[in-house]
Amino acid sequence: SQELEQSPQSLIVQEGKNLTINCTSSKTLYGLYWYKQKYGEGLIFLMMLQKGGEEKSHEKITAKLDEKKQQSSLHITASQPSHAGIYLCGADRRGGGNKLTFGTGTQLKVEL
Amino acid sequence: EPEVTQTPSHQVTQMGQEVILRCVPISNHLYFYWYRQILGQKVEFLVSFYNNEISEKSEIFDDQFSVERPDGSNFTLKIRSTKLEDSAMYFCASRDSYRQETQYFGPGTRLLVL
Repeated sequence: SQELEQSPQSLIVQEGKNLTINCTSSKTLYGLYWYKQKYGEGLIFLMMLQKGGEEKSHEKITAKLDEKKQQSSLHITASQPSHAGIYLCGADRRGGGNKLTFGTGTQLKVEL
Repeated sequence: EPEVTQTPSHQVTQMGQEVILRCVPISNHLYFYWYRQILGQKVEFLVSFYNNEISEKSEIFDDQFSVERPDGSNFTLKIRSTKLEDSAMYFCASRDSYRQETQYFGPGTRLLVL
């Protein structure tokens, strides 16, 4: 089965600092999704990457997918308390909107 | 902005009882999914549903589980005889079309089996 590893498992940063979360797949992906989850709540869609080398940004969050389509990073610039939560990467292995396989998640806390 | 809704938000049930979890996908979406997340574990795929039939199901989705789209708006997950290990957060997701592949998730139903 598709394995996704996320690192770090948890992260505490001071408000205003930059941070990066990584997601690594053991196999080439069709698509890579980033979601944010607040504890005990649903998954909020952030970004989807499909092309090798692709980079997308939304507000202060930038996601990149490497050329081999096996590794993605999520970078947050000038973190704010509103960025706190659990970040999940999800892999689409076959395309066509099939099932997503999720990583273990990275818990982010932003301290004032 | 359209969103996926789920009811109830929390459900407590006795082992062996049947539960039905309900979802209202985003209007005009055609593909529907159920995932679950046991506390402290990964979000796991259960089943996908398109054109009134199951497209794919995981090993978790055994004979105790069933899905249905009883009308044009609801999508349900039924667990016939709940077990302690069915305790989890259950998420419904929906997707627009073959080309628009992003799955949008609901807020989840927290199921506790006693």
